[in-house]
Order: sequence, then structure tokens, then C-alpha cells
Amino acid sequence: DADVTQTPRNRITKTGKRIMLECSQTKGHDRMYWYRQDPGLGLRLIYYSFDVKDINKGEISDGYSVSRQAQAKFSLSLESAIPNQTALYFCATAKRTSGEGEQFFGPGTRLTVL
Amino acid sequence: GQQVMQIPQYQHVQEGEDFTTYCNSSTTLSNIQWYKQRPGGHPVFLIQLVKSGEVKKQKRLTFQFGEAKKNSSLHITATQTTDVGTYFCAPHTGGFKTIFGAGTRLFVKA
Repeated sequence: DADVTQTPRNRITKTGKRIMLECSQTKGHDRMYWYRQDPGLGLRLIYYSFDVKDINKGEISDGYSVSRQAQAKFSLSLESAIPNQTALYFCATAKRTSGEGEQFFGPGTRLTVL
Repeated sequence: GQQVMQIPQYQHVQEGEDFTTYCNSSTTLSNIQWYKQRPGGHPVFLIQLVKSGEVKKQKRLTFQFGEAKKNSSLHITATQTTDVGTYFCAPHTGGFKTIFGAGTRLFVKA
């Protein structure tokens, strides 16, 4: 059983549509992250959350919003999708530690915006 | 802000050859992590380096952290086809968000 799950795994949508990507974890970790991956650009941080009441913007938060519904759930929304948001999206979790801990990644969601 | 450069972007090797990827930061780091992503997969944590000049080994993989804590390297001895994938460094400066390098994609020809 996967510890970090993402739904959907693949999604094709049209410009202007609202999209929600969901992430759930059974690891009991406090920290959760959303990244996008584009070829040649590595992983870029969109948002991160250290607990239910703590949400922070990452490098590229414009055009995205998030919701931490519970310790185990962290959703990413694209309010009005545009083609340059076509990418592979990863959710990740980490334990609360005194510093930066190992991150555990979900399987990813491949999003295509037409 | 923090600038991270990871080189090379791609590397093609013959099976059995060695491989090295380098990660360079514009700022002094508190620690650095390395991850591997297999084709079609997700990033998986390999190791974390914390101390200046630290060297850690995992079988054929050797990880080094520079004396000035601004650079790091991952060296694979005698590559195998199972080593294919993209290797990312994730340097940290003491904050709580992770900035990943762009990655080095390794191709291994049997």
C-alpha cells in the first residue's frame, strides 16, 4: 500500500477550467508539499504546509491555491487552468524535525491543459 | 535568493564507466540531500550530508559535501543499467523549504 497517494494520476482539461489535485498520506507526517516538474527544470516548489493551520507559498505559487483539510490531506487547485500549467505534479511529505527531513513523494499527477 | 546549479544536465555512459554529477550553490548550505528519480517514477531520497567535507558511501555511490559547504557531488563507480534515471540535489540553507537542482539525467548503454 502506498504511503502517499495522489488523485487523479492523469488529467486532461481545457483552458479556463478549475482543477483540483488531491494528495493523501498515511505516514502521519506533519509537513506536506506540492511541486511541479517540467523537463529540464527539475522540481519547483508551489506551496508547502507544516500543519493544518500553516500554509506557505513556494517559488511558483501564482495561479495555484491549496487547502490542508486535515493532517493527512493536502489539495492543490488551479482556479483557471492555462496551457503553461501542463506539467507533472508531485505531492511530498516529511516528518517534523528540527531541520529539513527526508521527503517522501507520491506517484505524481500528469496534467495536460489544452 | 539561493542559486543552485547542477551539472551536467545529461550524461551518456557505457555500462561499467563511472559517472559524476555536481551541485553548486551560491550560498553556504546547512545540509544537502540527494534524490533519484527513475524514468516514469517519483523522486526517492538517497542521502543527506550535513558536515563540512563529509563523505558517505552507499555501495557504488559516493557522496561528498565540500569543505565550504557550498557544493556537493555524487559519484557512481562502474555504472549499471539499474542506475539510469535523474539525480537531483536538494540543498538547504536553514529554512524549511526545499529548492531542488534541475537534475542530471543519466543514460547507461549496455
